Amino acid sequence: QSVLTQPPSASGTPGQRVTISCSGSSSSIGSNYVYWYQQVPGTAPKVVMHRNSQRPSGVPDRFSGSKSGTSASLAISGLRSEDEADYYCAAWDDSLSGWVFGGGTKVTVL
Amino acid sequence: QVQLVESGGGVVQPGKSLRLSCATSGFTFTNYAMHWVRQAPGKGLEWVAVISFDETLTYYADSVKGRFTISRDNHNNTLYLHLARLRHEDTALYYCARHGPGTSDGFDSWGQGTLVTVSS
Repeated sequence: QSVLTQPPSASGTPGQRVTISCSGSSSSIGSNYVYWYQQVPGTAPKVVMHRNSQRPSGVPDRFSGSKSGTSASLAISGLRSEDEADYYCAAWDDSLSGWVFGGGTKVTVL
Repeated sequence: QVQLVESGGGVVQPGKSLRLSCATSGFTFTNYAMHWVRQAPGKGLEWVAVISFDETLTYYADSVKGRFTISRDNHNNTLYLHLARLRHEDTALYYCARHGPGTSDGFDSWGQGTLVTVSS
């Protein structure tokens, strides 16, 4: 059971907007930045959002992030086939003195 | 560019030990904290351990505390993970990952992973 909670799946048709939620606690998301990682099956994870809402260079502006209280979300607008992947949220947890991940959300482009 | 190349994985019996390595290049290794993150077959990501840039601080996930040891060789730009008293549930693809330049940053670069299989 993951410390951060994500829905197991999300889907949309090309061009639609998909939002993935990530719920934590006061010691994790409530106190620290949230990061989002994209993992295409068979490949290493890649950061698509850091410090809650900052896009690394090279990540399309179709990706946006937000955080409120002990929850965060990643939105993908203008969904494209290449966005099909597993997405994980992560944050440092002050109580555990360690990093925690969500269980991952599989995004399917219908 | 940043390169992280893991090695040392393999099949090992329960209770035995193994050492993983992560050779790095393309950046100033001594400026960055480094992590190990693992992924069991078909499962999600699990953070394992982190070591500070100067080796003075280490933190571990509860699931590996007392059995795994993270270390680094700043002269040879290499990160290590010593796995001891291995259990079946330690079977996973082990990634090394670089911590971003700021204290509050996350994992900004990842290797391709090395597979550890614990089986009798």
